[in-house]
Amino acid sequence: NAGVTQTPKFRVLKTGQSMTLLCAQDMNHEYMYWYRQDPGMGLRLIHYSVGEGTTAKGEVPDGYNVSRLKKQNFLLGLESAAPSQTSVYFCASSPPGVIYEQYFGPGTRLTVT
Amino acid sequence: AQSVTQPDIHITVSEGASLELRCNYSYGATPYLFWYVQSPGQGLQLLLKYFSGDTLVQGIKGFEAEFKRSQSSFNLRKPSVHWSDAAEYFCAVGARHTGNQFYFGTGTSLTVIP
Repeated sequence: NAGVTQTPKFRVLKTGQSMTLLCAQDMNHEYMYWYRQDPGMGLRLIHYSVGEGTTAKGEVPDGYNVSRLKKQNFLLGLESAAPSQTSVYFCASSPPGVIYEQYFGPGTRLTVT
Repeated sequence: AQSVTQPDIHITVSEGASLELRCNYSYGATPYLFWYVQSPGQGLQLLLKYFSGDTLVQGIKGFEAEFKRSQSSFNLRKPSVHWSDAAEYFCAVGARHTGNQFYFGTGTSLTVIP
């Protein structure tokens, strides 16, 4: 099992450009999450999904969109990148139910200039 | 509202010394609590978790944590730190509503000196 994988690992964007981050998991998990990690702020939830075709907003959703067309994939889109979106982005997945931990991908480091 | 506080931004310990990382949470019901570790440039790895029962939980790599309801705390401990334990440590609380959202603390960075 590869677990949770993220593509790409690094990316540099210019302000106003768009891009999509791909998260894939092979554990057949129902729930998937996108976080951003910034120095001194821990991880903050951007969007999450509790199943194929469903998405919901987290703590910091502005400027991002997501889609969950297939159970194993969760895409995070930036329509018009801003320097404030420079961050490390983590995807996670978990089975349904509060007793389960989340499994994290290796992260994507995004720089917006 | 749910929240997690890790009061110590950075801790330095000598190799072989004991370690305690503090975590305080705010949650209206019985919390589900987690400790994760993040090595430089890596994703997060689960160290241990608490759901119910015995308030002292054992995890991987020789770590343990104790849940104290009266103090709203879930502190992480290790009796003897190894140089390879140098990393960022995050405490999280899982919320019981749709999506099992996690709320993370801001993390504690651990430096281990020889």
